[in-house]
Amino acid sequence: QSVLTQPPSVSATPGQKVTISCSGSSSNIGNNYVSWYQQLPGTAPKLLIYDSNKRPSGIPDRFSGSKSGTSATLGITGLQTGDEADYYCGAWDSSLSAVVFGGGTKLTVL
Amino acid sequence: QVQLQESGPGLVKPSETLSLTCTVSGDSISSYYWTWIRQPAGKGLEWIGRTYSSGSTNYNPSLKSRVTMSVDTSKNQFSLKVTSVTAADTAVYYCARAPYSSSWSAFDIWGQGTMVTVSS
Repeated sequence: QSVLTQPPSVSATPGQKVTISCSGSSSNIGNNYVSWYQQLPGTAPKLLIYDSNKRPSGIPDRFSGSKSGTSATLGITGLQTGDEADYYCGAWDSSLSAVVFGGGTKLTVL
Repeated sequence: QVQLQESGPGLVKPSETLSLTCTVSGDSISSYYWTWIRQPAGKGLEWIGRTYSSGSTNYNPSLKSRVTMSVDTSKNQFSLKVTSVTAADTAVYYCARAPYSSSWSAFDIWGQGTMVTVSS
């Protein structure tokens, strides 16, 4: 079991908005920033969000991040078929002194 | 642009030591934390640990007794060693850069990954 909890899968249709949740505890999300990654099949993960709500250069503003308490959310608007991928959240865990990840969420764009 | 490239044996025998190197191009290895992450086939990401050019390291507690990371600034490379490997260590191994001092889980540049299989 992963330290951070994500839904195994979500689905939506092109053009719609989808949200992916990531639940943790006070030792990780509650007191540290959250990062989000997109992993297309057969490729390395790509950083989408850091510091819970910041986008690296080149990431479109269709992707957004938020955090409240011990949970975080990734939002994707204007869904495209190219957004079909696995999405992971990550955070530093102060108790473990380690980076922890969620188990990943598979996004299907129907 | 900054690029990372993993290298090392793709096949390691059980009980032996897995050794990988990550070569950094387009950036100085002295500037950031550098990390290793692995992913078994069909499964999620597992953070192995991170290292800095000063020699400072942090390891995943679940792997700490078997993992060593180091940096070679003269070659702009950092390395990973995992001892006493078993089939459970079979995975794609990624190296990545951690540029944000505020967010230790944010890795902006990744290598393409290298598959390591533990088998006799």
